[in-house]
Amino acid sequence: DQQVKQNSPSLSVQEGRISILNCDYTNSMFDYFLWYKKYPAEGPTFLISISSIKDKNEDGRFTVFLNKSAKHLSLHIVPSQPGDSAVYFCAATSVYNTNAGKSTFGDGTTLTVKP
Amino acid sequence: DVKVTQSSRYLVKRTGEKVFLECVQDMDHENMFWYRQDPGLGLRLIYFSYDVKMKEKGDIPEGYSVSREKKERFSLILESASTNQTSMYLCASNSGLAAGNSPLHFGNGTRLTVT
Repeated sequence: DQQVKQNSPSLSVQEGRISILNCDYTNSMFDYFLWYKKYPAEGPTFLISISSIKDKNEDGRFTVFLNKSAKHLSLHIVPSQPGDSAVYFCAATSVYNTNAGKSTFGDGTTLTVKP
Repeated sequence: DVKVTQSSRYLVKRTGEKVFLECVQDMDHENMFWYRQDPGLGLRLIYFSYDVKMKEKGDIPEGYSVSREKKERFSLILESASTNQTSMYLCASNSGLAAGNSPLHFGNGTRLTVT
């Protein structure tokens, strides 16, 4: 059973427009969520996170929204830039369980931003 | 800045060989992780470690073992490599015993091909 799902394998948007990447989870124990970005031939790098006590977190062009009742989060990138083209992974974890630090990842969404 | 270094970027090994993947981090992180990344499957946790000489199985430990003799070094061992272990292997680390909200820092990955 896949506990974190990113249902869109790929997304293509025009430069300057909004990119919206979605993520769903099933495990109610998850209380902290992170987004990572991965360029080819590099490891993933942390982008932005959100705690379950919040419904929104913003960092520059990046905003993450969390809907706990729907077990759904989304990453908004505004405006999108060609350098944002990468694979984006959603990850979920629990701050309080004994395996704290063990993140469960989605399959990733490949974002392409066209000039 | 945290640096996680994986000793090899590319490896080609034969079926049945014993394979060692090495990972070193320079930020005194307590926690270290080994993931593998496969198309359509995202990042899957193989093993992790919260302390020296301590290891915990992840979601897909079969066919692998690990060693953590020093805090900064975490080794992944394929006892007898098989073709289904051809993959991208990613090492990561983060800090703290209750580190659910501490982002992972990844190495650049080792692309292993087993022929």
